[in-house]
Amino acid sequence: QKEVEQDPGPLSVPEGAIVSLNCTYSNSAFQYFMWYRQYSRKGPELLMYTYSSGNKEDGRFTAQVDKSSKYISLFIRDSQPSDSATYLCAMMDSGGSNYKLTFGKGTLLTVNP
Amino acid sequence: ETGVTQTPRHLVMGMTNKKSLKCEQHLGHNAMYWYKQSAKKPLELMFVYNFKEQTENNSVPSRFSPECPNSSHLFLHLHTLQPEDSALYLCASSLNGAGFPNQPQHFGDGTRLSIL
Repeated sequence: QKEVEQDPGPLSVPEGAIVSLNCTYSNSAFQYFMWYRQYSRKGPELLMYTYSSGNKEDGRFTAQVDKSSKYISLFIRDSQPSDSATYLCAMMDSGGSNYKLTFGKGTLLTVNP
Repeated sequence: ETGVTQTPRHLVMGMTNKKSLKCEQHLGHNAMYWYKQSAKKPLELMFVYNFKEQTENNSVPSRFSPECPNSSHLFLHLHTLQPEDSALYLCASSLNGAGFPNQPQHFGDGTRLSIL
């Protein structure tokens, strides 16, 4: 079983839709959960992060972590064409090698005007 | 210039060639990273440098040789590569090697490498 599973999509939605992106993981030591956005021909940029379980909201974006189910989600409300990108989940434990991020494969999202 | 800059953006080379990828960061960070991004695979950490010292080599083949002359510059020297090494190579930096989320890794836009 891979450490982090993420459906690569592609996911295509109309403008204004609510988007749900998800990852599952197997390593119970993961404590930090991050979402990166990567536009075409660009490097990833950190979008949001959450420590342990719970929700975090930033504008149209909400990150959720359910450690009991080993499941994380990113919700995008009122999606815009500018949200079209690949979304990568990443996780990190709080152990000694705490700079090591474990990434999912990424989900390609297209928001159609 | 700000951020993390990688050159060249694209590189095509034969298996017997020797080339180098360059990364420069203008963020005052002390940790730098090389990642490999292949199609349909997760980002793979290759090397980590913290205050110019290599702190991580993620079982990378010796045909990839990193160099970090100072905290602002990172190189990846390539020789005798294989077709499966074709990928996007991303450089990142962070304030230090702790890598906590409040000291996130900032990525460059990568070098797209194609091996003939």
